[in-house]
Amino acid sequence: QQQVKQSPQSLIVQKGGISIINCAYENTAFDYFPWYQQFPGKGPALLIAIRPDVSEKKEGRFTISFNKSAKQFSLHIMDSQPGDSATYFCAASMAQGGSEKLVFGKGTKLTVNP
Amino acid sequence: GAVVSQHPSWVICKSGTSVKIECRSLDFQATTMFWYRQFPKQSLMLMATSNEGSKATYEQGVEKDKFLINHASLTLSTLTVTSAHPEDSSFYICSALRGGRTQYFGPGTRLLVL
Repeated sequence: QQQVKQSPQSLIVQKGGISIINCAYENTAFDYFPWYQQFPGKGPALLIAIRPDVSEKKEGRFTISFNKSAKQFSLHIMDSQPGDSATYFCAASMAQGGSEKLVFGKGTKLTVNP
Repeated sequence: GAVVSQHPSWVICKSGTSVKIECRSLDFQATTMFWYRQFPKQSLMLMATSNEGSKATYEQGVEKDKFLINHASLTLSTLTVTSAHPEDSSFYICSALRGGRTQYFGPGTRLLVL
């Protein structure tokens, strides 16, 4: 119940295309869903986050779509660029005794070809 | 804003020695920090939650006597790997909690134990 399942494991997209990464969860107590971008040898960087009272959130080329009934959320990267090539992690957390621990998906390695 | 630093960025040590890694929130105060470990091409594994002024909370399976955590101030948490062995070689990443729910990650520390 603590898992966040992420797919696909790897993704290859042409420059200018749309990259879509999906995540699913079981625990309905999760109430905060961030996405992180990680380049090799670096720490993860927060991209965008959403709460379950919102179905969609957009920041620049990055959009999170959230389906509360299906317990799924996804990241869409519009007009994908070679510089977007990185590993993307979805995550979820709940306000549990103030701990705010994140549960991470296994990651998606995105390659954007020029 | 929301910058987290780690020092050192990489360290090589001999088996049996202890290594200290520092995590600092540079432009905000963080009562809660987290320590993660990441193996190549894998997701982040939470090791422990560090709370300022109190004992750290370790995840199941993480040896608290081997991975000593000290959160002495609102901007500094340290992880000491005691009596390091080759199997402790890994990428260690810290994060700091800001605004109640958002974790900002440091750049990571690569540890190699010979």
